[in-house]
Amino acid sequence: ETGVTQTPRHLVMGMTNKKSLKCEQHLGHNAMYWYKQSAKKPLELMFVYNFKEQTENNSVPSRFSPECPNSSHLFLHLHTLQPEDSALYLCASSQEDRWETQYFGPGTRLLVL
Amino acid sequence: AQKVTQAQTEISVVEKEDVTLDCVYETRDTTYYLFWYKQPPSGELVFLIRRNSFDEQNEISGRYSWNFQKSTSSFNFTITASQVVDSAVYFCALSEMNRSQFYFGTGTSLTVIP
Repeated sequence: ETGVTQTPRHLVMGMTNKKSLKCEQHLGHNAMYWYKQSAKKPLELMFVYNFKEQTENNSVPSRFSPECPNSSHLFLHLHTLQPEDSALYLCASSQEDRWETQYFGPGTRLLVL
Repeated sequence: AQKVTQAQTEISVVEKEDVTLDCVYETRDTTYYLFWYKQPPSGELVFLIRRNSFDEQNEISGRYSWNFQKSTSSFNFTITASQVVDSAVYFCALSEMNRSQFYFGTGTSLTVIP
């Protein structure tokens, strides 16, 4: 595997479900990011992790819970989501001191029913 | 406040035509970065270019060129002799130099018709 991978690629869940999105980077980076891409809206940064420590949380609702067990893996735990949370969730990684050059994964397309 | 506007929602061109994607930004910062990303149907964002606010030189990379005009707060992207593989959504973005926060535009969907 190379680059940034995300699983699953597609996810359908009910509002009472609990699911997790997984991101893995094979680039030796030490910073990882979660973004939300909704239709007709700009890409939104959700969370930033540097060296496994969360450094940014852009006022994201608590129903989204990130976890970064190591520099190569990033999770986004989802619970009691709303239909408006349906979006493409993109993961990215970079070197901590080269945040302006981020490598993105293919995203997880999430549909909340 | 930072803001990026891509007024063109969708553009269609015939193969081999030139096409320019517009990007206008707002920022109170005197130093910042500007970016263009390409998002093909597969979903991942592909980095195309980063410019520093203090470097207004235009840049050319193969069929791609970028026109940075600080006076009009614009950072336009031109594809020369477009190809079907150029079909994608293109995003312009702005960031402060000392903070890992991107401000993305809403994107321009480009379709190149064979």
